[in-house]
Amino acid sequence: AQKVTQAQTEISVVEKEDVTLDCVYETRDTTYYLFWYKQPPSGELVFLIRRNSFDEQNEISGRYSWNFQKSTSSFNFTITASQVVDSAVYFCALTSSRGGPARQLTFGSGTQLTVLP
Amino acid sequence: SAVISQKPSRDICQRGTSLTIQCQVDSQVTMMFWYRQQPGQSLTLIATANQGSEATYESGFVIDKFPISRPNLTFSTLTVSNMSPEDSSIYLCSVSPGQGYGYTFGSGTRLTVV
Repeated sequence: AQKVTQAQTEISVVEKEDVTLDCVYETRDTTYYLFWYKQPPSGELVFLIRRNSFDEQNEISGRYSWNFQKSTSSFNFTITASQVVDSAVYFCALTSSRGGPARQLTFGSGTQLTVLP
Repeated sequence: SAVISQKPSRDICQRGTSLTIQCQVDSQVTMMFWYRQQPGQSLTLIATANQGSEATYESGFVIDKFPISRPNLTFSTLTVSNMSPEDSSIYLCSVSPGQGYGYTFGSGTRLTVV
């Protein structure tokens, strides 16, 4: 069975601080995909990143960066110089393909990030 | 990546009634997924809908309560039947990604049962 753990339920930071959201996953599959989604108060899910299990390169996109470490089964997400607009629930998710059709995502419990002005 | 139009965006319903949620995708997709997000919780998969076959339901979800239709490769509906206040949730549909993209989600249906 697959599992995603986001141990941080809520995080509160002051604007311009850096913040890291943790994600630990479990899977028996050798080929899998990891995702981060943002859910603002409006409720829609905004795709942030997809990473496959064969690509351990860290990625940076503007103020966002992701650290993928297979050795510790972690896929952490860092926001640099946080802004009030970053306030949202962030979900880490996992799926595997097993060479077949697309499969459903397994979501973590989410981390509520509040950025204070 | 695909764009999904989900309707209605929100509704307030009386207990005992049913609500049908629609998802229209702007391209043909093989698999569609229906999720439920209870207040303050994460997303839980209800069922996977493949065109031309019966939907596959996850443990704890049954067809009589959540019937799904998938008449073609761009459209699906989820019905929440005989609603109770415990069904108050956000319901989201999702489709599998194109190459290099994340799974696309509809904007969600925020359901309140009174």
